[in-house]
Formats: sequence, C-alpha cells, structure tokens
Amino acid sequence: GAVVSQHPSWVICKSGTSVKIECRSLDFQATTMFWYRQFPKQSLMLMATSNEGSKATYEQGVEKDKFLINHASLTLSTLTVTSAHPEDSSFYICSGGVAGSYEQYFGPGTRLTVT
Amino acid sequence: DAKTTQPTSMDCAEGRAANLPCNHSTISGNEYVYWYRQIHSQGPQYIIHGLKNNETNEMASLIITEDRKSSTLILPHATLRDTAVYYCIAASYNTDKLIFGTGTRLQVFP
Repeated sequence: GAVVSQHPSWVICKSGTSVKIECRSLDFQATTMFWYRQFPKQSLMLMATSNEGSKATYEQGVEKDKFLINHASLTLSTLTVTSAHPEDSSFYICSGGVAGSYEQYFGPGTRLTVT
Repeated sequence: DAKTTQPTSMDCAEGRAANLPCNHSTISGNEYVYWYRQIHSQGPQYIIHGLKNNETNEMASLIITEDRKSSTLILPHATLRDTAVYYCIAASYNTDKLIFGTGTRLQVFP
C-alpha cells in the first residue's frame, strides 16, 4: 500500500506554545487528507478534512482557530496546534486519500504531550 | 454514514480462525463495509472492503449477509501479530471521510 509519513513521531511542548505536525504522502498524491485525534483507550476521532489548495472542513466541536490545517500541496498537509494546553495531549494521526479510490492510507501518528 | 456495532473484545488462539462480527442494520444501498485495524500506537491499516458479495484477499475474508445488515471479518489463521483493534465502518464508496466506532479489541494468545 501507499506510504504516509508523519513528523515528528512524538513531541513534548510547554503549555502555551504552538506545535506543527507534518503529514506527507511519500509515493502518491493525496487529493484529500484527514486529521484524527485519539485519546488513550479511545477510538479515532475525525478532526478535519482538507483538500489541496482549499480551506479545511472541520468536524463539529473542533476549534478551527486552535487546530490550523494547511494542505499546500498534494503530498503535504500540516496541523498546527496553537497555544497548546495539557488537554491537547493526544495521539494525532493523518491519512491521505485519492479521488476515485476506496482506501485511506494512514500515517504512523504523532504523540503530543503538553506539559 | 451508517452506524456500526461491534463486540468490545474477543480472544482467539493462535492458529485458529478469528471471526469478528459487525452489525450495520441501517446501512444504505450505496454504502460499503470497510474493515481497518490498529495495532497499538500505530496508524490504522486497511484490511478489506465489500458491498454485498463475499470478499477475500491475502489478509482476510469478509462475509456479508444477504440483507447486508451484518458482516463478519475472518482471519483464517490468527497469529500473535494480529492482536489489534479491528474497526468495521460503513461508508459510501469514494467516501470523503471514515467515522470510526469503538471497534473490537482482538487478543490472540499462544
């Protein structure tokens, strides 16, 4: 299957700072990218959907001004957690999809810890 | 997207078949059944999908009932590496998003 990478794989930051997570599709062009959040022992929760060159669509209850998503190219999407707080500590996972394909390809995830 | 329900957890002996059920009684005619799994602290992995016919690939088999209200994922010879959370998702083909339920935690034991 196609490969999606995320960077960093884990990050620790201080409360009040911002953190950027990168999601790259390495061997395909992702027309759509998705961002999920997963708390311990819970399922994945979809945060937002982004299409290359357009604004992301956020799920209900997800603050768009706090979780900034940029999908600048068909191989790169970024999620910036602004003014992070301890409750933002979570496992963030991205995935890429291709128009006309049924499959989403998931990255390995980024574990964010806010102290 | 249709809601799915799955058992919270299941056990399976190594080498035996693991049969994971999923109910999707409100699935609509254009919705497929997708199965993904997530091994601890990794991103989900696609397993298989189907509309109404049974499907098989190198990883698993998918049996969908004739009324499409339920399905079963079969891992024919479970190994310890199959220990994971398995998610059944009903969504339209070329869907723009997947909504994950609680999934089934499969524990394969020696």
